Amino acid sequence: QSALTQPRSVSGSPGQSVAISCTGTSSDVGYNHVSWYQQYPGKAPKLLIYDVTKRPSGVPDRFSGSKSGNTASLTISGLQAEDEADYYCCSYATSNTSPYVFGTGTKVTVL
Amino acid sequence: EVRLVESGGGLVQPGGSLRLSCEASGFTFRNYWMTWVRQAPGKGLEWVGHIREDGSDQYYVDSVKGRFTISRDNSKNSLCLQMNSLRVEDTAVYYCARDYYGWGSHDQWGQGTLVTVSS
Repeated sequence: QSALTQPRSVSGSPGQSVAISCTGTSSDVGYNHVSWYQQYPGKAPKLLIYDVTKRPSGVPDRFSGSKSGNTASLTISGLQAEDEADYYCCSYATSNTSPYVFGTGTKVTVL
Repeated sequence: EVRLVESGGGLVQPGGSLRLSCEASGFTFRNYWMTWVRQAPGKGLEWVGHIREDGSDQYYVDSVKGRFTISRDNSKNSLCLQMNSLRVEDTAVYYCARDYYGWGSHDQWGQGTLVTVSS
């Protein structure tokens, strides 16, 4: 099972919205079990979104998830300086190599 | 406060073994699937494996099957990752994580422990 495909980097100015895509197949992202994580350098990941659209308590509503077909997306609205970090998607996968697979990761830069 | 604390990382030669531990506190450990995730230096996250609440089932990524074993002791709120036949490509920070909402949604993570496989 190959890693899910994410853009290497995205950028935006404070206050703008940015979207990060996560492309897989019907055997992984095709299921509604996609989660998103934010990671700062040298720190553990933090869960932002689970089951495509659900947000854990404490996560700002600026972060939202969606999915169309085999591509999931994380949108950050009202971009803030502290949103500059790496972002990873993760999906349940019905493959014979791993029941879960992460995306390749996206670096978000706030201009 | 929910806490996960990994330990046991270090330098090991190729072909060697290492046992990582993850001590949990602040929640009912026996109620959750637990997962190991790793991150090679400068690289992305890789799902390694997980274990059912009662320890009866474990699943692994292909690259570690037959070499790594996940176990847990619910009486001690402890999770372990036994790593054998280590390879240079196993060098990474290893995180333990709790699967709170199910289906790979990891809401709590440890700080990570570095495993370096090198001669």
